[in-house]
Amino acid sequence: KAGVTQTPRYLIKTRGQQVTLSCSPISGHRSVSWYQQTPGQGLQFLFEYFSETQRNKGNFPGRFSGRQFSNSRSEMNVSTLELGDSALYLCASSPEGALYGYTFGSGTRLTVV
Amino acid sequence: KNEVEQSPQNLTAQEGEFITINCSYSVGISALHWLQQHPGGGIVSLFMLSSGKKKHGRLIATINIQEKHSSLHITASHPRDSAVYICAVQTGANNLFFGTGTRLTVIP
Repeated sequence: KAGVTQTPRYLIKTRGQQVTLSCSPISGHRSVSWYQQTPGQGLQFLFEYFSETQRNKGNFPGRFSGRQFSNSRSEMNVSTLELGDSALYLCASSPEGALYGYTFGSGTRLTVV
Repeated sequence: KNEVEQSPQNLTAQEGEFITINCSYSVGISALHWLQQHPGGGIVSLFMLSSGKKKHGRLIATINIQEKHSSLHITASHPRDSAVYICAVQTGANNLFFGTGTRLTVIP
């Protein structure tokens, strides 16, 4: 059974640009959640999508947005990139949401220069 | 103020030792998770707890809801257990808060 797939694995962007990251969940999983991991702040919850609807949102500015498609694949977008957005972005999928054990992808490492 | 505090931040052990990692939290929770992150970023969900104790192989996780405290124990530690262990709490509103992790190194 295929795991959670995140693309791309690595990305370098310039300050002010925007970026879109993709997450394909495990087949049959309807919940996709996104996390940012930095050395200083650790893991932080960005948002969760379930059946194409944003169900929960962490404490991040509006520059961070996401969406989920009917096939449960999800994208995360960050606009007007700042140097501090450099991080490992992880997504996780689960059948029903955070109440159940979830499977993480390997992440997208974003570097903003 | 961090909703989740882990200790220790770093831990070095000899192979075979019994290891304990602690997690304290300050918010009301519906569940607590223990995660393992290996170098390169891959994260594995080890346990999800809402009460009592769970065991999987050499790993044991306990939670005391009244004291807002959880522990992760590793018996007969092995170098392949070397990883960062992260505690995360889930609130009733389904928000997740993470500890900063405990970096475990097991020396042969």
